[in-house]
Amino acid sequence: AQSVTQLGSHVSVSEGALVLLRCNYSSSVPPYLFWYVQYPNQGLQLLLKYTSAATLVKGINGFEAEFRKSETSVHLTKPSAHMSDAAEYFCAVILRREDDKIIFGKGTRLHILP
Amino acid sequence: EAEVAQSPRYKITEKSQAVAFWCDPISGHATLYWYRQILGQGPELLVQFQDESVVDDSQLPKDRFSAERLKGVDSTLKIQPAELGDSAMYLCASTPSGGSNEQFFGPGTRLTVL
Repeated sequence: AQSVTQLGSHVSVSEGALVLLRCNYSSSVPPYLFWYVQYPNQGLQLLLKYTSAATLVKGINGFEAEFRKSETSVHLTKPSAHMSDAAEYFCAVILRREDDKIIFGKGTRLHILP
Repeated sequence: EAEVAQSPRYKITEKSQAVAFWCDPISGHATLYWYRQILGQGPELLVQFQDESVVDDSQLPKDRFSAERLKGVDSTLKIQPAELGDSAMYLCASTPSGGSNEQFFGPGTRLTVL
């Protein structure tokens, strides 16, 4: 069963506009949730790590994520998009606190329009 | 800043040939992961090492893939023979000891099988 679902394989926003990338997880609240960014032909870089103890987490590069338990979602946002934000973004979860295996979503490609 | 090293960055081979990828994790990181990332998808775990021991290779196609980490430091992933469907990005990641579940990724090896 899919543990994490990213909504939209491609998202386009204008430079300076709000970035919103959506991630839904399965009904059980995961103990850990991550957002990673991947630039072309590079590895994954951690944007932020979310634990169930918080509702809002600030990451690098101006990104932040809000945990919405009622909606089983953790959406990634940034108030003002930059051209350098164009990349692939992955939502990922660890399903059990004692586990260490990360399960990745299929990714969302973010396009920034000039 | 310490990084996970991978080589080569790009590899083009013909089907039925053998290929090998190398990964050197961040110094002191006991856990090492190999992932395969097909274009347009999230990474999928192939094998996980704890020091020199395989912890999980349930998703490794053992008829053609092998992985080793003989001294518990660097690791090699081999494919023999390569098939067209093996074309993908192969990512290596590592985590430190002590319970941290943040995975640090290398830049990956892009494999193209012709």
